[in-house]
Amino acid sequence: GQNIDQPTEMTATEGAIVQINCTYQTSGFNGLFWYQQHAGEAPTFLSYNVLDGLEEKGRFSSFLSRSKGYSYLLLKELQMKDSASYLCAVKHYQLIWGAGTKLIIKP
Amino acid sequence: EAQVTQNPRYLITVTGKKLTVTCSQNMNHEYMSWYRQDPGLGLRQIYYSMNVEVTDKGDVPEGYKVSRKEKRNFPLILESPSPNQTSLYFCASSFLGTGGTDTQYFGPGTRLTVL
Repeated sequence: GQNIDQPTEMTATEGAIVQINCTYQTSGFNGLFWYQQHAGEAPTFLSYNVLDGLEEKGRFSSFLSRSKGYSYLLLKELQMKDSASYLCAVKHYQLIWGAGTKLIIKP
Repeated sequence: EAQVTQNPRYLITVTGKKLTVTCSQNMNHEYMSWYRQDPGLGLRQIYYSMNVEVTDKGDVPEGYKVSRKEKRNFPLILESPSPNQTSLYFCASSFLGTGGTDTQYFGPGTRLTVL
C-alpha cells in the first residue's frame, strides 16, 4: 500500500525555527514535493527533492533520505504569514499526498 | 500570466441537478488532474489525464466524469450530485517528466455545496 505520514498540527513562535517531518512507505519513488496551502486557497509549490540531502531556498529548506523514507521541511525566522498547512507528496507517476501539517504561528 | 483557472469558484446546488466545473490552463501542460479536499483527509485524486483524449480514474472517481477534448481544458462533470460530494475541488496541471508528473500548478479551487 501507499502511506505518507505527517504530524496533524504543530505550533511555533514567530522568529523561531520549525521542522515538519514526513515519512513515507510507497511502492515506488521518483521524488518528493512540499507544498504550502493557506486556508481556503490552492496549494503552491515550495520544493522538490529527488536526491538525498538538503536543498535550501531562502528561509525554507527541504531534506530527503531515500533509504529511510524520510523528508523534512525546515522553516527559519518564522513569520505570521507562514501559518498554513504544509503538504508532503511522493511522486510515483502520480502524486501520493500526505494529509498535511497545519502550522500555527504564535506571536 | 501562466495560470490554471476554474469556474465557478463557489456553487450551491441541490441533489440531482447536473453541473460542470470548468478548468483551463495556458501553460501547454500535458497532464491535468482533479482533486477533492475534505477536512482531515488531504487531497484525493478524482480523475487525471495524461494528454488529449486520455483520461483515467484516480482514487475517488465514483459520481464524477471528465473529458479532455482539448489540451487546455479538463472539465469535471457531476451528473447527479449528492450531499457527500460537498467539498473543495482543485484542478491542477503539469508537464510530464521522468517518472511521472512534474511540479503541479493548481487552480484557485471551487467550493461546492450540495443540499
